Amino acid sequence: QVTLKESGPALVKPTQTLTLTCTFSGFSLSTNGVRVNWIRQPPGKALEWLARIDWDDDKFYSTSLRTRLTISKDTSKNQVVLTMTNMDPVDTATYFCARSLYSSNAIDIWGQGTMVTVSS
Amino acid sequence: EIVLTQSPGTLSLSPGDRATLSCRASQSVISTYFAWYQQKPGQAPRLLIYGASTRATGIPDRFSGSGSGTDFTLTISRLEPEDFAVYYCQQYGSSRYTFGQGTKLEIK
Repeated sequence: QVTLKESGPALVKPTQTLTLTCTFSGFSLSTNGVRVNWIRQPPGKALEWLARIDWDDDKFYSTSLRTRLTISKDTSKNQVVLTMTNMDPVDTATYFCARSLYSSNAIDIWGQGTMVTVSS
Repeated sequence: EIVLTQSPGTLSLSPGDRATLSCRASQSVISTYFAWYQQKPGQAPRLLIYGASTRATGIPDRFSGSGSGTDFTLTISRLEPEDFAVYYCQQYGSSRYTFGQGTKLEIK
């Protein structure tokens, strides 16, 4: 069974750096074609894709947020980490990690999400 | 960046009705990389359709997708009570994803 779970702080202060961890099971990020993405959703709003890391360590970022984001993986721990610098209240959202596959590029399995509030 | 515009914003229908949801792209999208998701309150999105018309594993056949180029459609042939949710379209291009703003399907 493929599962992903996000973890990280529920509350961060403006200007701080957010670090989120995605811990997954049921697949390996060293397998050809496997990718892990981060997507966020502000309360009551639409989904916004943030970043992706591939099995071969290729990394891709949202054009609008690329200067603030860093994605990395620890294959041995089955984890993907996302950091976002200079947090602002507008970054308040539920952050999801999710798997996609090279074959379809559809985001087929999602974590439950973790809510992050940015407030002083 | 390709912008996806979904219509209508809200669709009010009754169980048993047929639902037609639209998604228009600001430029042509590769159909292979077009998908639809369903999201219920407090839950993560669920993949419904990928490749514009292929149902994901476990998705009932009352859900169907069609379209190409810039215009795509999600059809639910006969609404069940559990189908009332928010639906998002999504495309993948230039190694990045964009999502539509969502269509809320509510009970009339």
